[in-house]
Amino acid sequence: DAGVIQSPRHEVTEMGQEVTLRCKPISGHNSLFWYRQTMMRGLELLIYFNNNVPIDDSGMPEDRFSAKMPNASFSTLKIQPSEPRDSAVYFCASSPGQTYNEQFFGPGTRLTVL
Amino acid sequence: DQQVKQNSPSLSVQEGRISILNCDYTNSMFDYFLWYKKYPAEGPTFLISISSIKDKNEDGRFTVFLNKSAKHLSLHIVPSQPGDSAVYFCAAKYTGNQFYFGTGTSLTVIP
Repeated sequence: DAGVIQSPRHEVTEMGQEVTLRCKPISGHNSLFWYRQTMMRGLELLIYFNNNVPIDDSGMPEDRFSAKMPNASFSTLKIQPSEPRDSAVYFCASSPGQTYNEQFFGPGTRLTVL
Repeated sequence: DQQVKQNSPSLSVQEGRISILNCDYTNSMFDYFLWYKKYPAEGPTFLISISSIKDKNEDGRFTVFLNKSAKHLSLHIVPSQPGDSAVYFCAAKYTGNQFYFGTGTSLTVIP
């Protein structure tokens, strides 16, 4: 079975532009998580979904960030407008369910905002 | 505020010796703890875990120790191998499936 798929793997954009990151979770997994990795804060949870419904978005840094999960096999994280401080690696992870004690990560998207 | 802390950003160990990675947490409600390993340009992968009802869990060369009174977790790798060189993240959870991750420790095993 394919793991979590993220695209693009690398994104370079200019400040003010809209950025959309994409994620396909493992088939059959009901929970999906978006993380941001930075040196200062490590892996920060931005938002997570259970059965396509956002459960906790308290980690989303600002209104510039939004996430959607229109169906069980696809999610997007959008930043509009992007800023240089958004530069980081963004990971998507999925899990079989709420009580499952492991998350499976995608390879990440390295975002650079100039 | 970081509820899970890894105070050592990096660690270097000779091949064959023991690697000890440490993690501290502040929330006494955490009841499950995990270690993830991350290679460059890859996502983190699960390594080993421990429930709060235990104080030790062993899997081959990897052992995790939990000291609940000190709110401290450690990962022992013995013997260390060059392929163990990676970033190790400590994580903790309580209700639901929200994980709280530390900032990571970069381990270098010197051949």
